[in-house]
Amino acid sequence: DGGITQSPKYLFRKEGQNVTLSCEQNLNHDAMYWYRQDPGQGLRLIYYSQIVNDFQKGDIAEGYSVSREKKESFPLTVTSAQKNPTAFYLCAISKGPGTDTQYFGPGTRLTVL
Amino acid sequence: DAKTTQPTSMDCAEGRAANLPCNHSTISGNEYVYWYRQIHSQGPQYIIHGLKNNETNEMASLIITEDRKSSTLILPHATLRDTAVYYCIVRSLAGGTSYGKLTFGQGTILTVHP
Repeated sequence: DGGITQSPKYLFRKEGQNVTLSCEQNLNHDAMYWYRQDPGQGLRLIYYSQIVNDFQKGDIAEGYSVSREKKESFPLTVTSAQKNPTAFYLCAISKGPGTDTQYFGPGTRLTVL
Repeated sequence: DAKTTQPTSMDCAEGRAANLPCNHSTISGNEYVYWYRQIHSQGPQYIIHGLKNNETNEMASLIITEDRKSSTLILPHATLRDTAVYYCIVRSLAGGTSYGKLTFGQGTILTVHP
């Protein structure tokens, strides 16, 4: 969707380095989410945030960290503790709390060498 | 959230209707049926959702059986750009531990041929 931007589209990092993925939205939606997708797999929820300055762990939060200091931004840091960081990372937003329809950004493909 | 079953792949001729089935026999009363699609290397795109009544929007129609155990997504005039993986998701809007989570299965690979 045009109102959700993720950058960069492709990202390469060396093993052991932390990396931060950007997710920005200009639709004034309250809730934001991070998912991870591996080849041929469905999406798995990493973290989500329903309001500014609050966020909750999803199913696979280990090795990841987030912040939600501004309503429009929800960056995801992939730390060196994440054992298999190479994946397609998707940010999603919804108007209100998690029960509303989620809309996805274009994704960032992270490759750790 | 209830589990869904979809065919692995389907083909459709350009200009014809594409009918994608989904079985969700264990769906409960507060669970909605959502459809998303994903074109290779892009984020999933929301298509449509419904609870018990049939729904239609500019992209597609959603037909839910009376017992709510299955549904069909209809793309009325498929184009080559509709080639994608289509995901049927059953999602509770009642909150709880799965609050906000979308659970994507394997989906159906729809290929639209010229």
